[in-house]
Amino acid sequence: GQNIDQPTEMTATEGAIVQINCTYQTSGFNGLFWYQQHAGEAPTFLSYNVLDGLEEKGRFSSFLSRSKGYSYLLLKELQMKDSASYLCAVSGTYKYIFGTGTRLKVLA
Amino acid sequence: DVKVTQSSRYLVKRTGEKVFLECVQDMDHENMFWYRQDPGLGLRLIYFSYDVKMKEKGDIPEGYSVSREKKERFSLILESASTNQTSMYLCASSLDNPKNIQYFGAGTRLSVL
Repeated sequence: GQNIDQPTEMTATEGAIVQINCTYQTSGFNGLFWYQQHAGEAPTFLSYNVLDGLEEKGRFSSFLSRSKGYSYLLLKELQMKDSASYLCAVSGTYKYIFGTGTRLKVLA
Repeated sequence: DVKVTQSSRYLVKRTGEKVFLECVQDMDHENMFWYRQDPGLGLRLIYFSYDVKMKEKGDIPEGYSVSREKKERFSLILESASTNQTSMYLCASSLDNPKNIQYFGAGTRLSVL
């Protein structure tokens, strides 16, 4: 079967570092995506990994290990505006399979 | 910037009504998608289209149909709305390439009474 797992909820403090994990089992793989979704808004693209390793983009980094079916999103220097849901998705030929999302709360 | 526009942010309909949700994208994307998003279930794919007049069922197509007569427009149709179709509906589009980043509209929150 196809499955993506990520924690339901995480809490962290402003200025800290948080790592959101995602494990997946899918029949096809064309890449792994992370999206950010603020409450009541559309998901917005954060990062894309297709090869093993770390991709860094400012305060956000994403890591992929295809052999382990594992990815993480690393958020540094957390800000209050980072409070949102973070969606992990695996891409097949056309379609994505989404995880249920991790709701991150950043506390002052 | 890519823009995906959904015709309504909020809709309230009655059971049995026919409902049309419209989505328009302005970046000449080949692929378009309709999802619903429910608490605890995440984003689930209803239908997608990879070309004009082409459509493919997603994971939960029952009770829905779609239409893509023009490249920029993808419509989701609820033939006879039911209360279990109360949800947030999200439209997305992407280019037809390996790095197929999907860009989402703001969503339509549909309530069926």
